[in-house]
Amino acid sequence: AQSVTQPDIHITVSEGASLELRCNYSYGATPYLFWYVQSPGQGLQLLLKYFSGDTLVQGIKGFEAEFKRSQSSFNLRKPSVHWSDAAEYFCAVLPGNTGKLIFGQGTTLQVKP
Amino acid sequence: DAGVTQSPTHLIKTRGQHVTLRCSPISGHKSVSWYQQVLGQGPQFIFQYYEKEERGRGNFPDRFSARQFPNYSSELNVNALLLGDSALYLCASSLVAGPREKLFFGSGTQLSVL
Repeated sequence: AQSVTQPDIHITVSEGASLELRCNYSYGATPYLFWYVQSPGQGLQLLLKYFSGDTLVQGIKGFEAEFKRSQSSFNLRKPSVHWSDAAEYFCAVLPGNTGKLIFGQGTTLQVKP
Repeated sequence: DAGVTQSPTHLIKTRGQHVTLRCSPISGHKSVSWYQQVLGQGPQFIFQYYEKEERGRGNFPDRFSARQFPNYSSELNVNALLLGDSALYLCASSLVAGPREKLFFGSGTQLSVL
């Protein structure tokens, strides 16, 4: 069965430090991959997505993610974190030609001043 | 332009009751999806509707049902509420139902079942 694992439930980084959030997926073929961000009381906002092609994808708010097929990973990175980046981050996979997004359990990012 | 709107924003029900949640997609969007997000977990897919027809269903009991209206708005109905149905219910819309379509999420309806 398809699944998404986000190994880190909670991460704390200092403002200005770099960030990497991990995501591993389980799927037989190359899936469509996504990262979403959710601020308190808000819905989900799409940060970036990977469908095919270049394995390094750029997103909004200075985020990027790299698809590594050999590791079944799609880690999210940002070179310098801002206090406004504190939120919940979700990795998701869209298997095949379905409309059913499968989400990981999320990583809560706390930013220290 | 208005985004995806959901109503109500908060709701308190007791076990055994019935609840109806409503979603208005972005103007021009014809596909609506519903997700359940239990506290501390990622959202789980419940339904997808496109052009008023069900296009997908997640692993939820028959107590959960939905429909899409001619104006593309949607309702999610849950019968015989259980404590475990307490969650944030998210609606998302997209232009069409294809996998490459960007989903736009509403802020959700927080349902508490006592």
